[in-house]
Parts: sequence; C-alpha cells; structure tokens
Amino acid sequence: QKEVEQDPGPLSVPEGAIVSLNCTYSNSAFQYFMWYRQYSRKGPELLMYTYSSGNKEDGRFTAQVDKSSKYISLFIRDSQPSDSATYLCAMSEGNTGGFKTIFGAGTRLFVKA
Amino acid sequence: DSGVTQTPKHLITATGQRVTLRCSPRSGDLSVYWYQQSLDQGLQFLIQYYNGEERAKGNILERFSAQQFPDLHSELNLSSLELGDSALYFCASSVAAGGMETQYFGPGTRLLVL
Repeated sequence: QKEVEQDPGPLSVPEGAIVSLNCTYSNSAFQYFMWYRQYSRKGPELLMYTYSSGNKEDGRFTAQVDKSSKYISLFIRDSQPSDSATYLCAMSEGNTGGFKTIFGAGTRLFVKA
Repeated sequence: DSGVTQTPKHLITATGQRVTLRCSPRSGDLSVYWYQQSLDQGLQFLIQYYNGEERAKGNILERFSAQQFPDLHSELNLSSLELGDSALYFCASSVAAGGMETQYFGPGTRLLVL
C-alpha cells in the first residue's frame, strides 16, 4: 500500500463547476500537507499548505485536512479552463534534521469552456 | 519562472552510461531537493541538501548520488543507467530545511536512456 493514495483521474468538468480533489494517507507521522499544481511540461508549483486539521481558504481554493480520517481535499470554486492541470497532494514528515516529502500520483483535471 | 534553473533540459544517453544533472537554486535558498517523476511512479523524493550537507534521503538508488557545493548549486549523478531510469528529474529549492518550507521547482531535466 502506498503511503499516499490519489486518484489519477482524469477528471473533466464544465467551466464554473466546483472541483473536489482528494488524497488519503496511511502514515500518521505526516505533519504538513500541501497541494501543488503542475502544468504540462512544467515543474510543480505550490498552491496551498496547511499544518493542522481544518480548512484553509485562498481565493477560489480551499484546502481541507482531516487528520483523524487521514484524508485531505482541495476544492476549486468557479473552475476556469486555466485550472486545467495535474494537481498533486504532498505530505511531509521529519524534524529539524530534515524532512521527507511524499507526493500523490496526481489527478489530471480538465475544465471545459 | 520559479528562479530555479536546471541543465540540461534534455539528455539522451545509453544504458550503462553516467550522467550529471545540475541545479542552481533561487537566490538566497539554502536547501535543494531532487525528485524523479515517471509515468508509473509519479513524483518521488530522492534527496535533500541544506547548506552543503545531506538532510533527508528518500528512495534514491545506490547508483545515484548527489552533492551540494559551497556556492549552493547541486548536482545529481546517475550511473550505470538503466532503461527504467528514463524520467523527468526535478530540482527544487527552499529558503530553509523545514517541513513547511515552500519548495520552488525548476523546469526539470528530461532523461531518456536508450
């Protein structure tokens, strides 16, 4: 079993739809939770990060973490064609000596105009 | 543009060969990370350096090694290459070494082993 599970999709939605992307994890040592967006042939870019359980909002994006269920989500409101990309969840564990980051497989999202 | 540069952009080589990938972090960033991205394995963390010292190790093969130099650039050395090493190799950098540090990714080096 992988430490981080993410449905690779693809997920296709119409413009304006609310998108829900999810990851589950098995390692309770993960402390930090992140969402990255990766456009084709580009490096990933950080969208959001959070440390604790609960919600964090940034514009049209909301990240949700439920540590008790080992489940994280990213919601995209009013989705736009420019949101079409691969979305990767990522989680880190470690200490001041160093951190290891594990990425999900990524979900490919297509937003149709 | 993240400010992280990687060279070369593309590399084609043969099995058994050795290659070196280079990464220059963003100005001011002390931490460098290496990742491998392939279609079947996704993005895999390989290794992290902070200010010249190894800080964390992931699923890095013994045939692979890395180092970070005093000027903070880093090199990833891949030897005895196999077909399965064909992948996109990303370097990322961050200011410090903590788990919440924002990692800025470079454009990647696409390696093809024939």
